[in-house]
Amino acid sequence: AQRVTQPEKLLSVFKGAPVELKCNYSYSGSPELFWYVQYSRQRLQLLLRHISRESIKGFTADLNKGETSFHLKKPFAQEEDSAMYYCALKAGTYKYIFGTGTRLKVLA
Amino acid sequence: GAVVSQHPSRVICKSGTSVKIECRSLDFQATTMFWYRQFPKKSLMLMATSNEGSKATYEQGVEKDKFLINHASLTLSTLTVTSAHPEDSSFYICSARTSSSLGELFFGEGSRLTVL
Repeated sequence: AQRVTQPEKLLSVFKGAPVELKCNYSYSGSPELFWYVQYSRQRLQLLLRHISRESIKGFTADLNKGETSFHLKKPFAQEEDSAMYYCALKAGTYKYIFGTGTRLKVLA
Repeated sequence: GAVVSQHPSRVICKSGTSVKIECRSLDFQATTMFWYRQFPKKSLMLMATSNEGSKATYEQGVEKDKFLINHASLTLSTLTVTSAHPEDSSFYICSARTSSSLGELFFGEGSRLTVL
C-alpha cells in the first residue's frame, strides 16, 4: 500500500529548540519525497525535496530507506517557522500522496 | 516560479445550487492538475486528478457526479460542486506541476466554499 504517515498532529517547541517533524512512508518503488509548508493565510509551497539534498530556511530532511522515513529537522526553531507541514510522496508520474500534516508551533 | 491561480477565493451559496471553481496555470501549461479538499484540522485529501482533454481520475470515495471536473485546456481546470449541501462546505485547493519542475507541485491559493 502507498501511504504517508505523519504521526504528530501538533508539535510545540520553544524558540531556539531543535525541531523534528516525523514522516514515514510505505511504497514499493523508488520513492521521491517532499516537504511542503503552509504558513498562515498562505498557499502551500514546496519547502524541500529529497533529491536536491538541500537545506532551506535551516531545514533538512534525509531519506532513510531502511526506516522508510523522511523526517524534517531544524537545529534551532524560530517563531516564523510556525506553520503546517506536509510530507508528500510522489508515487508515479501523476500520483502524489500527502500525509495528514503536522502543525508546528514555535513558542517565544 | 510557476503560478497557479484559483477563483473565486470565497463563495457562499444556497443549498441545492451548483458552484464552479476555476484553477488556472498562469505562466505554464499544465496537462495535469490536482484537486484537494482541506478539512478544518488541515488534513489534505486528494479528490481527483484532472487530465487535459480526458476524464478526471477520482479517488475512492469521491462522488464523480457530485464533484464535476473539467480540464478543457492546458491552463484551466474547473471543479463544479453540484447540488451543494452544507457538508460540502470546505476549503478546496488545486495544484499543478510543470514538465520540468522535478516533481514539484504548485498550489493555488484555495477556495473557501460555504453552503448555507
